[in-house]
Amino acid sequence: AQTVTQSQPEMSVQEAETVTLSCTYDTSESDYYLFWYKQPPSRQMILVIRQEAYKQQNATENRFSVNFQKAAKSFSLKISDSQLGDAAMYFCAYEAGAQKLVFGQGTRLTINP
Amino acid sequence: DGGITQSPKYLFRKEGQNVTLSCEQNLNHDAMYWYRQDPGQGLRLIYYSQIVNDFQKGDIAEGYSVSREKKESFPLTVTSAQKNPTAFYLCASLRNGGLLANQPQHFGDGTRLSIL
Repeated sequence: AQTVTQSQPEMSVQEAETVTLSCTYDTSESDYYLFWYKQPPSRQMILVIRQEAYKQQNATENRFSVNFQKAAKSFSLKISDSQLGDAAMYFCAYEAGAQKLVFGQGTRLTINP
Repeated sequence: DGGITQSPKYLFRKEGQNVTLSCEQNLNHDAMYWYRQDPGQGLRLIYYSQIVNDFQKGDIAEGYSVSREKKESFPLTVTSAQKNPTAFYLCASLRNGGLLANQPQHFGDGTRLSIL
Protein backbone atom coordinates (compact mmCIF):
# COMPACT_ATOMS: atom_id res chain seq x y z
CA ALA A 1 0.00 0.00 0.00
CA GLN A 2 1.11 3.50 -0.72
CA THR A 3 2.17 5.51 2.31
CA VAL A 4 3.14 9.13 2.85
CA THR A 5 5.40 10.17 5.72
CA GLN A 6 5.98 13.64 7.10
CA SER A 7 8.67 13.33 9.74
CA GLN A 8 8.37 16.87 11.13
CA PRO A 9 5.26 17.25 13.33
CA GLU A 10 6.09 20.93 13.93
CA MET A 11 8.29 23.56 12.31
CA SER A 12 8.79 27.24 12.97
CA VAL A 13 10.41 30.01 10.99
CA GLN A 14 11.01 33.72 11.32
CA GLU A 15 8.89 35.95 9.15
CA ALA A 16 10.58 36.64 5.78
CA GLU A 17 12.87 33.61 6.14
CA THR A 18 12.77 30.37 4.15
CA VAL A 19 11.54 27.04 5.48
CA THR A 20 11.50 23.54 4.00
CA LEU A 21 8.95 20.89 4.92
CA SER A 22 9.86 17.25 4.28
CA CYS A 23 7.78 14.47 2.77
CA THR A 24 8.63 10.94 1.66
CA TYR A 25 6.34 8.41 0.07
CA ASP A 26 6.30 4.79 -0.90
CA THR A 27 4.99 3.51 -4.22
CA SER A 28 5.78 1.01 -6.95
CA GLU A 29 4.09 3.12 -9.61
CA SER A 30 6.02 5.15 -12.15
CA ASP A 31 3.35 7.71 -12.99
CA TYR A 32 1.55 9.52 -10.22
CA TYR A 33 0.80 12.93 -8.74
CA LEU A 34 2.00 14.57 -5.54
CA PHE A 35 0.41 17.49 -3.74
CA TRP A 36 0.93 19.88 -0.85
CA TYR A 37 -2.22 21.10 0.88
CA LYS A 38 -2.48 23.85 3.47
CA GLN A 39 -5.03 23.70 6.29
CA PRO A 40 -5.31 26.98 8.23
CA PRO A 41 -7.21 27.21 11.55
CA SER A 42 -10.45 27.52 9.56
CA ARG A 43 -9.87 23.83 8.66
CA GLN A 44 -10.33 24.46 4.92
CA MET A 45 -8.07 22.38 2.69
CA ILE A 46 -6.26 24.59 0.20
CA LEU A 47 -4.14 23.21 -2.61
CA VAL A 48 -0.70 24.82 -2.53
CA ILE A 49 1.19 23.04 -5.29
CA ARG A 50 1.16 19.83 -7.32
CA GLN A 51 3.82 17.81 -9.11
CA GLU A 52 3.44 15.26 -11.86
CA ALA A 53 5.93 12.43 -11.46
CA TYR A 54 6.77 12.20 -15.15
CA LYS A 55 7.91 15.84 -15.15
CA GLN A 56 11.50 16.31 -14.09
CA GLN A 57 11.11 20.04 -13.57
CA ASN A 58 10.20 21.02 -10.04
CA ALA A 59 6.85 22.81 -9.69
CA THR A 60 6.78 26.42 -8.54
CA GLU A 61 3.90 28.64 -7.44
CA ASN A 62 5.05 32.12 -6.45
CA ARG A 63 6.81 31.74 -3.07
CA PHE A 64 6.18 27.99 -2.96
CA SER A 65 8.40 25.46 -4.71
CA VAL A 66 9.10 21.78 -4.42
CA ASN A 67 12.21 19.63 -4.54
CA PHE A 68 11.02 16.41 -6.18
CA GLN A 69 13.51 13.56 -6.01
CA LYS A 70 11.80 10.64 -7.74
CA ALA A 71 14.48 8.02 -7.11
CA ALA A 72 14.58 8.89 -3.42
CA LYS A 73 10.77 9.20 -3.29
CA SER A 74 11.10 12.58 -1.66
CA PHE A 75 8.87 15.61 -2.17
CA SER A 76 9.79 18.61 0.01
CA LEU A 77 8.07 22.00 0.04
CA LYS A 78 10.06 25.21 0.25
CA ILE A 79 8.35 28.39 1.36
CA SER A 80 10.35 31.52 0.64
CA ASP A 81 9.84 34.92 2.28
CA SER A 82 7.53 33.37 4.91
CA GLN A 83 4.50 35.43 5.83
CA LEU A 84 2.26 35.33 8.89
CA GLY A 85 -0.56 34.04 6.70
CA ASP A 86 1.48 30.94 5.89
CA ALA A 87 0.93 29.61 9.41
CA ALA A 88 -1.08 26.40 9.06
CA MET A 89 -0.96 22.63 8.96
CA TYR A 90 0.66 21.42 5.76
CA PHE A 91 -0.17 18.02 4.33
CA CYS A 92 1.69 16.13 1.67
CA ALA A 93 -0.52 13.86 -0.45
CA TYR A 94 -0.06 11.18 -3.08
CA GLU A 95 -2.58 10.28 -5.74
CA ALA A 96 -3.05 6.55 -5.32
CA GLY A 97 -5.00 5.70 -8.45
CA ALA A 98 -8.76 6.02 -8.97
CA GLN A 99 -8.16 9.67 -8.14
CA LYS A 100 -7.84 8.87 -4.43
CA LEU A 101 -5.47 10.81 -2.23
CA VAL A 102 -3.29 9.38 0.54
CA PHE A 103 -2.23 12.03 3.05
CA GLY A 104 0.73 12.32 5.37
CA GLN A 105 0.32 13.10 9.05
CA GLY A 106 0.91 16.81 8.57
CA THR A 107 3.42 19.44 9.72
CA ARG A 108 2.28 22.37 11.82
CA LEU A 109 4.09 25.50 10.63
CA THR A 110 4.45 28.49 12.95
CA ILE A 111 5.64 31.87 11.68
CA ASN A 112 7.42 34.01 14.26
CA PRO A 113 7.07 37.78 13.74
CA ASP B 1 -20.47 30.56 -6.77
CA GLY B 2 -19.95 26.83 -7.12
CA GLY B 3 -18.72 24.83 -4.18
CA ILE B 4 -19.27 22.10 -1.64
CA THR B 5 -21.63 22.54 1.29
CA GLN B 6 -21.33 20.37 4.36
CA SER B 7 -23.92 20.43 7.11
CA PRO B 8 -24.19 20.68 9.96
CA LYS B 9 -20.96 22.34 11.04
CA TYR B 10 -21.18 20.73 14.48
CA LEU B 11 -22.99 17.48 15.34
CA PHE B 12 -23.42 15.55 18.53
CA ARG B 13 -24.21 11.86 18.74
CA LYS B 14 -25.62 9.87 21.60
CA GLU B 15 -24.48 6.35 22.30
CA GLY B 16 -26.14 3.84 19.98
CA GLN B 17 -27.41 6.49 17.62
CA ASN B 18 -26.88 6.76 13.89
CA VAL B 19 -26.21 10.23 12.51
CA THR B 20 -25.98 11.46 8.92
CA LEU B 21 -23.61 14.13 7.63
CA SER B 22 -24.67 15.99 4.53
CA CYS B 23 -22.46 16.87 1.57
CA GLU B 24 -23.82 18.71 -1.46
CA GLN B 25 -21.89 20.07 -4.45
CA ASN B 26 -22.98 22.24 -7.35
CA LEU B 27 -19.74 21.90 -9.30
CA ASN B 28 -21.14 19.16 -11.55
CA HIS B 29 -18.33 16.91 -10.34
CA ASP B 30 -18.60 13.18 -10.91
CA ALA B 31 -16.45 11.93 -8.02
CA MET B 32 -17.06 12.57 -4.33
CA TYR B 33 -15.09 11.56 -1.25
CA TRP B 34 -15.41 11.39 2.54
CA TYR B 35 -12.36 11.80 4.77
CA ARG B 36 -11.93 11.59 8.50
CA GLN B 37 -9.39 13.75 10.34
CA ASP B 38 -8.35 13.07 13.92
CA PRO B 39 -6.51 15.71 16.00
CA GLY B 40 -2.95 16.23 14.83
CA GLN B 41 -3.32 13.71 12.03
CA GLY B 42 -3.82 13.65 8.31
CA LEU B 43 -6.95 12.76 6.39
CA ARG B 44 -8.01 9.15 5.97
CA LEU B 45 -10.39 8.04 3.25
CA ILE B 46 -13.69 6.53 4.41
CA TYR B 47 -15.67 6.08 1.18
CA TYR B 48 -15.61 7.44 -2.34
CA SER B 49 -17.89 7.45 -5.33
CA GLN B 50 -16.90 8.05 -8.91
CA ILE B 51 -20.38 7.83 -10.40
CA VAL B 52 -24.01 7.93 -9.33
CA ASN B 53 -25.30 4.71 -7.72
CA ASP B 54 -21.78 3.38 -7.20
CA PHE B 55 -19.30 3.77 -4.35
CA GLN B 56 -16.25 2.03 -2.91
CA LYS B 57 -14.79 1.57 0.54
CA GLY B 58 -11.75 3.55 1.50
CA ASP B 59 -9.21 2.70 4.17
CA ILE B 60 -11.47 3.06 7.23
CA ALA B 61 -15.02 2.23 6.06
CA GLU B 62 -16.05 0.10 9.05
CA GLY B 63 -18.89 1.69 10.99
CA TYR B 64 -19.84 4.05 8.15
CA SER B 65 -22.26 3.89 5.24
CA VAL B 66 -22.92 6.11 2.22
CA SER B 67 -25.30 6.50 -0.67
CA ARG B 68 -25.01 8.24 -4.03
CA GLU B 69 -28.51 8.56 -5.46
CA LYS B 70 -27.84 11.96 -7.00
CA LYS B 71 -24.74 13.38 -8.62
CA GLU B 72 -24.68 16.40 -6.34
CA SER B 73 -25.20 14.58 -3.03
CA PHE B 74 -23.08 12.10 -1.06
CA PRO B 75 -24.35 11.73 2.53
CA LEU B 76 -22.32 9.85 5.12
CA THR B 77 -23.99 7.92 7.94
CA VAL B 78 -21.99 7.25 11.07
CA THR B 79 -23.56 4.15 12.55
CA SER B 80 -23.58 2.91 16.12
CA ALA B 81 -21.00 0.33 15.02
CA GLN B 82 -18.42 3.13 14.80
CA LYS B 83 -17.14 3.07 18.37
CA ASN B 84 -14.90 6.12 18.13
CA PRO B 85 -16.71 8.59 15.88
CA THR B 86 -15.38 11.81 17.41
CA ALA B 87 -13.47 13.49 14.59
CA PHE B 88 -13.58 16.14 11.91
CA TYR B 89 -15.17 14.95 8.67
CA LEU B 90 -14.33 16.45 5.29
CA CYS B 91 -16.14 15.93 2.03
CA ALA B 92 -14.43 16.52 -1.32
CA SER B 93 -15.33 16.34 -4.98
CA LEU B 94 -13.47 16.07 -8.26
CA ARG B 95 -14.36 16.14 -11.91
CA ASN B 96 -13.67 12.70 -13.40
CA GLY B 97 -10.30 12.83 -15.05
CA GLY B 98 -9.72 15.88 -12.91
CA LEU B 99 -6.33 15.04 -11.46
CA LEU B 100 -5.05 14.28 -14.91
CA ALA B 101 -6.47 17.56 -16.18
CA ASN B 102 -4.82 19.68 -13.52
CA GLN B 103 -8.00 20.04 -11.51
CA PRO B 104 -7.58 19.58 -7.75
CA GLN B 105 -10.02 18.04 -5.33
CA HIS B 106 -12.39 20.64 -3.89
CA PHE B 107 -13.09 20.38 -0.17
CA GLY B 108 -16.03 21.43 1.95
CA ASP B 109 -15.64 23.24 5.27
CA GLY B 110 -16.12 20.09 7.31
CA THR B 111 -18.35 18.75 10.09
CA ARG B 112 -17.11 18.21 13.63
CA LEU B 113 -18.78 15.21 15.24
CA SER B 114 -18.67 14.66 18.99
CA ILE B 115 -20.09 12.08 21.39
CA LEU B 116 -22.49 13.24 24.09
